[in-house]
Amino acid sequence: DADVTQTPRNRITKTGKRIMLECSQTKGHDRMYWYRQDPGLGLRLIYYSFDVKDINKGEISDGYSVSRQAQAKFSLSLESAIPNQTALYFCATSGGIRADEQFFGPGTRLTVL
Amino acid sequence: GNSVTQMEGPVTLSEEAFLTINCTYTATGYPSLFWYVQYPGEGLQLLLKATKADDKGSNKGFEATYRKETTSFHLEKGSVQVSDSAVYFCALGGGGGNKLTFGTGTQLKVEL
Repeated sequence: DADVTQTPRNRITKTGKRIMLECSQTKGHDRMYWYRQDPGLGLRLIYYSFDVKDINKGEISDGYSVSRQAQAKFSLSLESAIPNQTALYFCATSGGIRADEQFFGPGTRLTVL
Repeated sequence: GNSVTQMEGPVTLSEEAFLTINCTYTATGYPSLFWYVQYPGEGLQLLLKATKADDKGSNKGFEATYRKETTSFHLEKGSVQVSDSAVYFCALGGGGGNKLTFGTGTQLKVEL
C-alpha cells in the first residue's frame, strides 16, 4: 500500500464550485504539505502543517484553505474554483530523524472549466 | 529569498550517454540540497541529497556534489538508460519547517 495517498486522482469541475482534495499518510509523519505543479514553474508551496494545531501559509495560499483533521490527514479546499487553479496538486509528508526529506503522494489532476 | 535555477529541457540523450543537469541556487545560510525525480504519472521521489558543502549525494548511479563556492549542485550520471526518462527537480531546503524551494524541473528523454 502507498504511504501517501491522495483522492481524487482526477477531477473536473466548473468555475465557482467548492472542491476538496484529500491526503492521507501512513508514515507517522508530523509534517504535511500541499504543493501545486504548473508546467514551467516547478512546484510551489500552498500550505504546510507541523502538527494538528499548526497551519502555515506557503508561497501561494490565496484562494485556498486547508484543514488538518488528524495527524494522518490534511485536506486542501478551493472555496470557489477558478480556471487558473487548473494544475497538478501534490501532498507531501516529512518527519522523524530525516525530517528534511519529503515523501510525495501520486498527485491530483484538477481541471477547472 | 531562496531560489533554484536549473537548466531548461527537454534534454534528449542516447542510451549509455553521459548526463549532466545543471542546478545553481541562491540562499542564506547553509541549506540542504536535493534532487527529486518524477516518472510519468507519478509523484516526486527523492533521488539524492547533500547536507553540507563538499558532500556528494549518490543513488542509482546518479551523483551530485554540493559546491558552496559556485553555489551549484549539478546532477550527473555516467551512462543513462531508457528507464531514466523522467523529470528531474533540484530543490533547496532549510526555509524553516523543512520547506523546500524547487527549480522548474528538467525533462530527460533517453532513446535507444
